[in-house]
Amino acid sequence: AAGVIQSPRHLIKEKRETATLKCYPIPRHDTVYWYQQGPGQDPQFLISFYEKMQSDKGSIPDRFSAQQFSDYHSELNMSSLELGDSALYFCASSPGGGWNTGELFFGEGSRLTVL
Amino acid sequence: DAKTTQPTSMDCAEGRAANLPCNHSTISGNEYVYWYRQIHSQGPQYIIHGLKNNETNEMASLIITEDRKSSTLILPHATLRDTAVYYCIVRVGGAAGNKLTFGGGTRVLVKP
Repeated sequence: AAGVIQSPRHLIKEKRETATLKCYPIPRHDTVYWYQQGPGQDPQFLISFYEKMQSDKGSIPDRFSAQQFSDYHSELNMSSLELGDSALYFCASSPGGGWNTGELFFGEGSRLTVL
Repeated sequence: DAKTTQPTSMDCAEGRAANLPCNHSTISGNEYVYWYRQIHSQGPQYIIHGLKNNETNEMASLIITEDRKSSTLILPHATLRDTAVYYCIVRVGGAAGNKLTFGGGTRVLVKP
């Protein structure tokens, strides 16, 4: 079965650079979530989208922005990168349809390292 | 969303049942109990969820007390691959995109 696809899987950037992570949800899933997981920490919710509109927002820095496109894929843009942004970034998708059961399907993550 | 309390860690023997408790004494009537797990550095994996009735699927069973203030996740025959951090999450069902908040999970180590 198709899963959530994240790219790139690994990314190395310098401080103050910009990075873009991409997420391709499972087909027919219209809801996308982004999570950030620092070393030894629990996944922290960043932001979610349903039908291309922002649905919920967590502790996402102002330097970060995200959007969901017409084909339901999503991109997380991170600017002015800081050392503390080094983390695993997970994308998850779910079939929304206006009702969310809470079953999220997670991708394998993108590991961002900021030097 | 209601706060949950789980043991920090627990060990269990391979082949035996693993019973993972979770307290959620402030749960509201419209909040569901979800269980996810995260195997090291992998994306979290959904296990099961319920509102007030006990639930079972191919992975686990969820037992919710009658007053809904606590629940237990049961892995019937633990294997080494079940070693992971298990998260009990309480969340309102409904609107698409509602966040799931991960925190304070139980680190389960399955031993041969």
